[in-house]
Amino acid sequence: DAGVTQSPTHLIKTRGQHVTLRCSPISGHKSVSWYQQVLGQGPQFIFQYYEKEERGRGNFPDRFSARQFPNYSSELNVNALLLGDSALYLCASSLGRAGNSPLHFGNGTRLTVT
Amino acid sequence: AQRVTQPEKLLSVFKGAPVELKCNYSYSGSPELFWYVQYSRQRLQLLLRHISRESIKGFTADLNKGETSFHLKKPFAQEEDSAMYYCALFNDYKLSFGAGTTVTVRA
Repeated sequence: DAGVTQSPTHLIKTRGQHVTLRCSPISGHKSVSWYQQVLGQGPQFIFQYYEKEERGRGNFPDRFSARQFPNYSSELNVNALLLGDSALYLCASSLGRAGNSPLHFGNGTRLTVT
Repeated sequence: AQRVTQPEKLLSVFKGAPVELKCNYSYSGSPELFWYVQYSRQRLQLLLRHISRESIKGFTADLNKGETSFHLKKPFAQEEDSAMYYCALFNDYKLSFGAGTTVTVRA
């Protein structure tokens, strides 16, 4: 079990730029979720994708978007970066959508916006 | 709206002493609650969930609907229990996390 893999591990961007973060779920998992974790806080939900469709969206601006591919991998895109977007972005996969399918987290991508 | 509150940011205990991490929630429906743990330089991982009523690594958590609490307990803390602990509530498609409690177990 390779676990959830995320790339890149670290990223430095300038305000106004665009960023794409990538996630590969555990084999067989059809659900991918994205979370943002700001220093000192718990992870905050951004998106859930299940079977390639958006199933849920958190309270984030439209600058944040995501998609899931036929192989169930996923990308998170953030446009017009702001300093406040600096955070650890976590991807999690699960077999299903419901709470009885526990989330398995990746190591995250550390995004720094300067 | 659902909310998870962990009132303690830091908790320090001696090895062999009991440890209790507090978690309170607000949710109008029947909650699905979890404890996640992050050890140093490791990824966030599931510790236990209330529906399974299991004990993992000596930890237990009881859901108290009257007090809207889901406190995590261990009777005898070990040094390897030093970690960040998050309480989380699942609703429909997302987990809502508390701010987390950093536990340090001293020898």
